[in-house]
Amino acid sequence: KQEVTQIPAALSVPEGENLVLNCSFTDSAIYNLQWFRQDPGKGLTSLLLIQSSQREQTSGRLNASLDKSSGRSTLYIAASQPGDSATYLCAPLISGGYNKLIFGAGTRLAVHP
Amino acid sequence: ETGVTQSPTHLIKTRGQQVTLRCSSQSGHNTVSWYQQALGQGPQFIFQYYREEENGRGNFPPRFSGLQFPNYSSELNVNALELDDSALYLCASRPGSANTGELFFGEGSRLTVL
Repeated sequence: KQEVTQIPAALSVPEGENLVLNCSFTDSAIYNLQWFRQDPGKGLTSLLLIQSSQREQTSGRLNASLDKSSGRSTLYIAASQPGDSATYLCAPLISGGYNKLIFGAGTRLAVHP
Repeated sequence: ETGVTQSPTHLIKTRGQQVTLRCSSQSGHNTVSWYQQALGQGPQFIFQYYREEENGRGNFPPRFSGLQFPNYSSELNVNALELDDSALYLCASRPGSANTGELFFGEGSRLTVL
């Protein structure tokens, strides 16, 4: 059974810091992995999708890496801003006859001015 | 803008009642999934539909059911509501031919059961 753990559970940093959010998963048989952002009470916004054959993916100040064999992914946020404050969720896509995302509980990020 | 819209955004029901939540996906998105997100937790997979047929189900009882329509809309129905059904319900879709592609989520429907 796939389990996803995100560390840290919460993070509070001053504006401008470079951040590292960690995600680990127990079953390396994944198709891809998505990182999402969720603002309080809102839906999920897809940030990055990394295919299982890729090592990393970049979008603006965000960079996600994937080490499938060790069951780990990392989201780097460069030069953090107060607008980055949100919960960040990682979700590997697994198959069991159909494909579904398995989510971690997320990392709650607060960036203060 | 993900192209996935859900309604209603908020609703309150009492225990034992029934509820229908609706979702409209982008044209061409033949796969739709529903997730339940309890407060402080990550979303949990409920079920998935592809071309109007359920093709995957998570660990949810039969009182959770769904429908998908040819016009890329879908419904989640929950019968005999329980207090623990209070959650944010998220609809997500992807192009049907890319079953390992990026998943796009709506803003969710917040259900409160009293």
